[in-house]
Amino acid sequence: SQQGEEDPQALSIQEGENATMNCSYKTSINNLQWYRQNSGRGLVHLILIRSNEREKHSGRLRVTLDTSKKSSSLLITASRAADTASYFCATVYIIQGAQKLVFGQGTRLTINP
Amino acid sequence: KAGVTQTPRYLIKTRGQQVTLSCSPISGHRSVSWYQQTPGQGLQFLFEYFSETQRNKGNFPGRFSGRQFSNSRSEMNVSTLELGDSALYLCASSLQGRELFFGEGSRLTVL
Repeated sequence: SQQGEEDPQALSIQEGENATMNCSYKTSINNLQWYRQNSGRGLVHLILIRSNEREKHSGRLRVTLDTSKKSSSLLITASRAADTASYFCATVYIIQGAQKLVFGQGTRLTINP
Repeated sequence: KAGVTQTPRYLIKTRGQQVTLSCSPISGHRSVSWYQQTPGQGLQFLFEYFSETQRNKGNFPGRFSGRQFSNSRSEMNVSTLELGDSALYLCASSLQGRELFFGEGSRLTVL
């Protein structure tokens, strides 16, 4: 299966702390994307990192990619209660010229005030 | 710019019935993908359409089908509904090779 695996499955931290989520995958990718989902809602794109990039920043988000280990991490710094959500990594493959995204099972993040 | 619109947002069906879900992508986006989300299986890829052609298909039975119209709007249909088809069905649009923009989903309950 191409599906990525995320850990931890659930993470609960205090407001102001940093949160780190990890994603591992099995086969070579074109790029990797992170998404956020508030309960029962649609997913919102956070950041895209290409296979030739090692690190990317966006506001309080930092994403790293290690293609030799086939893994990525998402760091949220100075967490806020509003960051409470599920976070998904999506590994992106190019199949016959079209991109196919395969989502991990997600990490449920709870920020306690 | 309007986001991805999915209708209906909620629906209840009984086993054996069929259902059609609709998705209007962001203006200018020609790629539309569909995903099924359940607590047990997570987000599963159903299919992707680009310029009215299905380019990729996930591992779902033939009861699941879709199509895309010339204005890029897409529909998916599930026939002979089963209890296990209860899920949140998510549609996403994108510019080719770029990130996905998701709708709020259609929550289907099969009784």
